[in-house]
Amino acid sequence: NAGVTQTPKFQVLKTGQSMTLQCAQDMNHNSMYWYRQDPGMGLRLIYYSASEGTTDKGEVPNGYNVSRLNKREFSLRLESAAPSQTSVYFCASRAYTGTGLGYTFGSGTRLTVV
Amino acid sequence: DQQVKQNSPSLSVQEGRISILNCDYTNSMFDYFLWYKKYPAEGPTFLISISSIKDKNEDGRFTVFLNKSAKHLSLHIVPSQPGDSAVYFCAATFNFGNEKLTFGTGTRLTIIP
Repeated sequence: NAGVTQTPKFQVLKTGQSMTLQCAQDMNHNSMYWYRQDPGMGLRLIYYSASEGTTDKGEVPNGYNVSRLNKREFSLRLESAAPSQTSVYFCASRAYTGTGLGYTFGSGTRLTVV
Repeated sequence: DQQVKQNSPSLSVQEGRISILNCDYTNSMFDYFLWYKKYPAEGPTFLISISSIKDKNEDGRFTVFLNKSAKHLSLHIVPSQPGDSAVYFCAATFNFGNEKLTFGTGTRLTIIP
């Protein structure tokens, strides 16, 4: 099915470990995003990429790095995981359409840092 | 600083009745507002949106009202159905096309059969 695919769906890390969250979309969208969802905080933008080859910081970028590998793929890397990074991470992509601004979200990665 | 606020963490409504979800914002630059619906273990999905040039937008059972002077919007669902049970997020942005979408904290809606 067309859409946004995130891997893995679940991950447990020890403090200080590193990992990369993968995201791929097959809708030929230009823009891609990483959000985190925490209880009582809604979804907060970590990083985004308006087009292939560009990335920009969002609201909560500290502790993360991103790579826009190509038009389809946008990865999020935690270099040294901390318990404060325990969250559900959502990748999204966007087409510049009128309805709903064209955002499509993946199903999320639930990350626990112990 | 929470620029988009949903002050009711949860809401329970009888099936067939009207569900009203509320959202307040503080940034007067916001000019486009959206509602997303989220089921457990899934990503948010777009539900309905409204531009600041309008005060109402309808789509089937869903209607969004915008009161710019009060910086308040609401989502009405009539009639409510069991499948509407989900978490609803309000979101806002400005300069249509701006990459940054600001989300509220969400309201969990439970429809009681």
